[in-house]
Formats: sequence, structure tokens, C-alpha cells
Amino acid sequence: QKEVEQNSGPLSVPEGAIASLNCTYSDRGSQSFFWYRQYSGKSPELIMSIYSNGDKEDGRFTAQLNKASQYVSLLIRDSQPSDSATYLCAVIYNQGGKLIFGQGTELSVKP
Amino acid sequence: DAGVTQSPTHLIKTRGQQVTLRCSPKSGHDTVSWYQQALGQGPQFIFQYYEEEERQRGNFPDRFSGHQFPNYSSELNVNALLLGDSALYLCASSGTGAWGNTIYFGEGSWLTVV
Repeated sequence: QKEVEQNSGPLSVPEGAIASLNCTYSDRGSQSFFWYRQYSGKSPELIMSIYSNGDKEDGRFTAQLNKASQYVSLLIRDSQPSDSATYLCAVIYNQGGKLIFGQGTELSVKP
Repeated sequence: DAGVTQSPTHLIKTRGQQVTLRCSPKSGHDTVSWYQQALGQGPQFIFQYYEEEERQRGNFPDRFSGHQFPNYSSELNVNALLLGDSALYLCASSGTGAWGNTIYFGEGSWLTVV
């Protein structure tokens, strides 16, 4: 069983819509949760981190964490074509530990 | 302030050869991790170096080895290259005990094995 799972997509949304990206993880001991954005041919860029249950908002991005359900999501409001990228969910189990990534969800925002 | 720098950016090797990839961490960071990202997959953890020692290792064969120097820079060595080693190799740097919000990735080294 994969430790971090995401729908691979592609997820296609029209410009201006809300994009919803989902991720589940298997280890209840997971401590920290992250969303990275990766443009084609580029390295991952951290866009959101979340550590406690609930919502965390940063501009057009909202990360949601539910530890009981072992579920983390990313909402992108007012999606723009420039948001088209692969979004990677990652978790860390312990301080200083390794990042464990999902396989990524490809998002396409159509003008 | 320079970020994480990696070299070379692209390289092509033949099966059976050896390759060395290099990484300089962000200023102030002392921990370097290496990840392999195959096409269409998420990055996979190879190993982590701290204080010039391998602190953690992922599920990679011992053909993959590394080193960290006193200035915190690091090398990733892969011996006896296989076609399946073709991937983007990412270096990540962080401070001691970082929970991840200060983990920075370099731009990566694209390795093609033919």
C-alpha cells in the first residue's frame, strides 16, 4: 500500500473555477503536511504547509487537514491558466525526517 | 543569498557507467537530502546527510552512494547505471531538525541513461 496517495488526474477546470486536489496518507503518526507545485521540467516549489487539523488559507490557496480521516486537500480559488501544473502532496513523520510524496495530480486550467 | 544549486543540469550516460551529481545547500543549511523523480511519479527519497554522515536511507540499492563535505555540500554517486536510473535527481537542503517548511529544492539534474 502506498504511503501517500493522490488522484493522478488530469484534473481540468475552467478559468475562475475552484480546483480541489485531494490526498490521503496511511501513517497516523504523520506530523507535517505539504503541497508542492511542479511545473513541467522544473523542480517542486512549496506552496502550502499545514500541521494541525482545520483550514489554512494563503491567498487563493486553502489547505485542509483532517487527521482522523488521514486526509489533506488543497483548494485553489479563482483558478488561472498559470496554475496549470502538477501538484504534489507530501508528508513528514518526524522532525528532520524525509518527505514522502504522492504521485502528483496534474491540473489543467482552461481559459 | 544563493539557494540550492545543483550540477550538472543535464547529462547523458551509457548503461554500466558511473555518474556523480553535486549539490550546494542553501546558506545556513546543514542537512542535504537526495530524491529521485521518475517521469510521471512523485520524488522518492534516496538518502539524507547530516554532519558528513548518512542519517537516513530510502529503498535504493547500494549502487547509490553519497558524501557530504565539511562545507555541507554533497555528492550523489550512482554506479553501474541502468536504463531505469533515468530520472530527475533533486537535492533538498534544510536546517537541523527542520519539519519541512524550510526544505528547499534545487533545480535538479536530469540524467538520461542510454
